[in-house]
Amino acid sequence: GAVVSQHPSRVICKSGTSVKIECRSLDFQATTMFWYRQFPKKSLMLMATSNEGSKATYEQGVEKDKFLINHASLTLSTLTVTSAHPEDSSFYICSQGGSRLDTQYFGPGTRLTVL
Amino acid sequence: GQSLEQPSEVTAVEGAIVQINCTYQTSGFYGLSWYQQHDGGAPTFLSYNGLDGLEETGRFSSFLSRSDSYGYLLLQELQMKDSASYFCAAHSGYSTLTFGKGTMLLVSP
Repeated sequence: GAVVSQHPSRVICKSGTSVKIECRSLDFQATTMFWYRQFPKKSLMLMATSNEGSKATYEQGVEKDKFLINHASLTLSTLTVTSAHPEDSSFYICSQGGSRLDTQYFGPGTRLTVL
Repeated sequence: GQSLEQPSEVTAVEGAIVQINCTYQTSGFYGLSWYQQHDGGAPTFLSYNGLDGLEETGRFSSFLSRSDSYGYLLLQELQMKDSASYFCAAHSGYSTLTFGKGTMLLVSP
C-alpha cells in the first residue's frame, strides 16, 4: 500500500499562533488527499478534500479561512491552522486515495495541543 | 448525508470470535470499508465490501447486505494485539469516506 508521512507528529503552540502540518505521499502521486480531525475516543471527521493545483473542498461547518489547505504538488499537501485556539487541539490525520477506489492510506497523524 | 451506527465497545477473550456490526443510512452509497486504529495511531485499512456477501482476509472477514443497509466485521482467533478501535466507513463519491463512531475492542487473556 501507499506510504504517507506527516510532519510534525506532535506540536504544542500558544493560542493565537499558526501551525502548519505537512502531509507527504512517499511512493504515490496523489492528485487528491484528505484531511481529517479526530477528538479523543471519537470518530474521524472529514474536514476537506485537497486537490492538487486547485482549491480544496471543505466540508460543511469547517472554516476555510481558519484551516488553510495547499496542495501544490502531487506529493505534498499542507494544512495550516491559523490563529489557533485551545478548542483546535485535536489529532489531525491526512490520507490519500490509492489506485483502487476502495482504499485510503492514512498518515500517522499530528497531535496538536494549543495552550 | 451519511450516518453509521456501530457498538461503542465489545469485549472478548483470546482465541474467541467477535462480530462488530454496522448499520448505515447514506445517500450515494457504493461500498463499506473497515479500518483498525490502535490508540494514538493512524487508521489502517482492513477490508472493503462493494458487493453483497462475505469478503475474507485471513483472520478478518467482512460482510455487506445492501438491502438491509448492514455490514459486519468478523474477527477470528482473537489475539491481544487485536485490541483497538474498529471503524466502519461508507463510501460515496471518489474515495470519500464517512466514518462510524468506532467500536473499541478489548481482548483479555
